[in-house]
Amino acid sequence: NAGVTQTPKFQVLKTGQSMTLQCAQDMNHNSMYWYRQDPGMGLRLIYYSASEGTTDKGEVPNGYNVSRLNKREFSLRLESAAPSQTSVYFCATGVGYGYTFGSGTRLTVV
Amino acid sequence: AQKITQTQPGMFVQEKEAVTLDCTYDTSDQSYGLFWYKQPSSGEMIFLIYQGSYDEQNATEGRYSLNFQKARKSANLVISASQLGDSAMYFCAMREGHNFNKFYFGSGTKLNVKP
Repeated sequence: NAGVTQTPKFQVLKTGQSMTLQCAQDMNHNSMYWYRQDPGMGLRLIYYSASEGTTDKGEVPNGYNVSRLNKREFSLRLESAAPSQTSVYFCATGVGYGYTFGSGTRLTVV
Repeated sequence: AQKITQTQPGMFVQEKEAVTLDCTYDTSDQSYGLFWYKQPSSGEMIFLIYQGSYDEQNATEGRYSLNFQKARKSANLVISASQLGDSAMYFCAMREGHNFNKFYFGSGTKLNVKP
């Protein structure tokens, strides 16, 4: 099935631990995105990649790094997790008239 | 200033009735796109409908239509003949120009459909 696959679906981290969220798309789109969703809020852009080999900061990039490994894969890394990074993370891909989102990663930092 | 404003945190509608979810936006760009997404309790984001700023006709997709009033900068979602499965969070979003990083979401409206 065409779409966006995110792993893991759930994760609990201790403060200071690191982890990488993985995202892969099979829709052959150039652009990919990482968003976070906090309770009672819409999605906010963390980082994006307009094409393979390029990445840029979004609205809330602090505490995160990304890697666009190839056209299909775009990973998000938390180097030293903080409780403020407890959120649901969505990866997306798409063109101007519609984005397709992954199913999300629910991350809790204790 | 907020780029996307959804003023209804929660709404109820009776099954089979129509409901309108409000959305206003703020941009000085001439070219922009407006979107609605549905997020059921399972958490995924489902694309519903798109309206381009130059589109003269209101967008429609099945039971969904977007009431686009450009002068008022509003992009309300109308769901006709509500179904129990329509109970979800609904997000309005806007892309400014063709910029990859200028895609903004509202805070959402929680719709509950009553049997």
